[in-house]
Formats: sequence, C-alpha cells, structure tokens
Amino acid sequence: DVVLTQTPPTLSATIGQSVSISCRSSQSLLHSNGNTYLNWLLQRPGQPPQLLIYLVSRLESGVPNRFSGSGSGTDFTLKISGVEAEDLGVYYCVQSTHAPTFGAGTKLELK
Amino acid sequence: EVQLVESGGGLVQPGRSMKLSCAASGFTFSNYGMAWVRQAPTKGLEWVATISYDGSSTYYRDSVKGRFTISRDNAKSTLYLQMNSLRSEDTATYYCTSGRHFDYWGQGVMVTVSS
Repeated sequence: DVVLTQTPPTLSATIGQSVSISCRSSQSLLHSNGNTYLNWLLQRPGQPPQLLIYLVSRLESGVPNRFSGSGSGTDFTLKISGVEAEDLGVYYCVQSTHAPTFGAGTKLELK
Repeated sequence: EVQLVESGGGLVQPGRSMKLSCAASGFTFSNYGMAWVRQAPTKGLEWVATISYDGSSTYYRDSVKGRFTISRDNAKSTLYLQMNSLRSEDTATYYCTSGRHFDYWGQGVMVTVSS
C-alpha cells in the first residue's frame, strides 16, 4: 500500500497567518496516463470531508483561492495564504493513483 | 444541489450482516465511479471499496475482501455496501463519496459492531 506521511500532525495559527502542510508519498503518484491523483480534503468538526484541491493543484469549484496545492512525484504541499476562522479542522491528503490511501491528517487550530 | 444520503447503519452483533445504501441526486450518478470510505471514532479516513461507473469493476481494501460487496443500481441512482461477517474493527462512520477525486460526500452513517 502507498503510505502518505503528513506533517505536521498539528498546526497552530493566528488569523491571517499563512501555513503549509506537507504530504509525502512512499511511491510516485504519477499515473501512466500522465495525471497525478493527489487531492486535499478538509474535515471540519462534526462534518464530512470536503474536497479542496484535486490533481495536485486544481482548486475545486467554490473553494477560496487562498488555498493552493503544489508538488510532484512523491512530495506535495497545501498552502493556506491567510488563515480564516472557517479553515479550522483536519486536513487530509489522499491519493488515488494506486488503491486509495489517506494521510493521517493535520489538525489546524487557532493559536 | 448534489446530495448523497446514506442509510442502513446501526448496532449489529459480531459475525452478522448489514447493508448500507447511498441515494444520490443532483448529478449524473451513472457517469461517476463511487466509493465507500470509513472513519473509526476519533480516527482518520480509510478507503473501503470502489466501483466503476457502470458497475463492471470493483476494488476492495484487503481487510474487507471476501466480506464486503460494493454494488450500484444506476436506474435508482443508489450505491450499496453489503457487509458480512462483521467485526468490531469495522465499527466506524461510513461515507459514500464520488469520483476519483472524492468530489462529493454524504453525511455518513454510523455502524457499530458489538455484542
């Protein structure tokens, strides 16, 4: 199975601060069709997850553009440029190039 | 508006069976592969099974192979998960989700396996 390692496990931020979350894969996530199926999800407390970013860097419709994704191969990053209160929750990376696996999550909380 | 509504959860004894359903609306269900993802209490997300848009291909995580069956009825826009020989470690909230990007998610249904 592909292992996704997310760091840090917890992130404390103030409103307006920019933060980044890393997701490293044990195998390349480049599919033979040329796509890299690495997505980012946010799960707010008591809510189901929601898709933020797909295919590494594509912003899902309706998601604020303070969220951005980057990376390739085995190293990926989610950046939030100016945290807002509604961004608090647990962030997960998930890959579906191979049998789907999720990272362990990064909890974003207010400092 | 896209909606995925799961049903069929509850308390079940170890070794027994349970069938989950997920009713979809607001998008062309028959165009999307679908999946079940679960989350044990206070834990992270875990992929369970995936089915192709037409039901011709199915995939499972190793721990549920031979016990769980994912299926779909495109005429009813409904996804199913038949769970047999349930174990305590299957206790979780089960979410149905769509597409390879996990675009849409239901609210989830709780399954508790306990005697």
